[in-house]
Amino acid sequence: QSALTQPRSVSGSPGQSVTISCTGTSSDVGGYNYVSWYQQHPGQAPKLLIYDVTRRPSGVPDRFSGSKSGNTATLTISGLQAEDEADYYCCSYAGSYTWVFGGGTTLTVL
Amino acid sequence: EVQLVESGGRLVPPGGSLRLSCEASGNTFSIYWMSWVRQAPGKGLEWVANINQDGREKNYVDSVRGRYTISRDNGKKSLYLQMNSLRDEDTAVYYCARDMGDYGVEPLDYWGQGTLVTVSS
Repeated sequence: QSALTQPRSVSGSPGQSVTISCTGTSSDVGGYNYVSWYQQHPGQAPKLLIYDVTRRPSGVPDRFSGSKSGNTATLTISGLQAEDEADYYCCSYAGSYTWVFGGGTTLTVL
Repeated sequence: EVQLVESGGRLVPPGGSLRLSCEASGNTFSIYWMSWVRQAPGKGLEWVANINQDGREKNYVDSVRGRYTISRDNGKKSLYLQMNSLRDEDTAVYYCARDMGDYGVEPLDYWGQGTLVTVSS
C-alpha cells in the first residue's frame, strides 16, 4: 500500500497543455484499469475528473483526458485555464477492494 | 443531488478514541459502497477504509487496521468510523465519500466537506 508517485508540481501558461504522471506497480496501476483522477482546490473537497483510466463523469470538460501505459497513468489537461490551478491526485485500485492515492501534484497556471 | 455531512471531529489526546459520523441525503444510500479518505494538514489524500452495501465487507489501509472500524446504518443513511488508539499521525481532515457504483471497484463521486480530527496532548 505504498503511495503512487506523482511529480510534486507542474506548470503551464493559459492555452497550453500539461501532463501529470502517476507511477505505481503491477499490483495497482499496471494491474487494473481502475485509475481515477481528482482535482482539489484549496479548502475544498476533491472532485472526480477521470475514472476507469479514460472516462469522464458528466460535466467534466473534455479538456481533461486520461491514459495509461504499463504501470504509469497520465492526466492531460489541454487548453489550460486559470481555474485549473489546483492540486491533482491519481488513485488506483490495489486489489481486495483497497485503493491507493498518489502523493498529489500542484498545478500552477502561469 | 447527494449531500454528505460529516461530524464528530475534535481534539483528542494520543491513545484516545473518537467516532466520526457521516449522514447522507437522498434515498439511495443503501445501494452504494461508502469510503473514508483522510488528508493530513498540507499533505495528500489517503484512502482509509470502505464498506459494502450490507456492511459485511470492510477493508482498511494497513496503518489503521485493528484500530479503526467502519460501519453503517442504512436505516439512518449514516456511515461511521470508530477510531481507537489514536496517534499523532492520525491528525487529518476525514472525508466521507460515496462510490460511484455498487461493485466496490468504482471511484468516489460524492464527497463531504470533511471533519477535522486533531490528535495532540
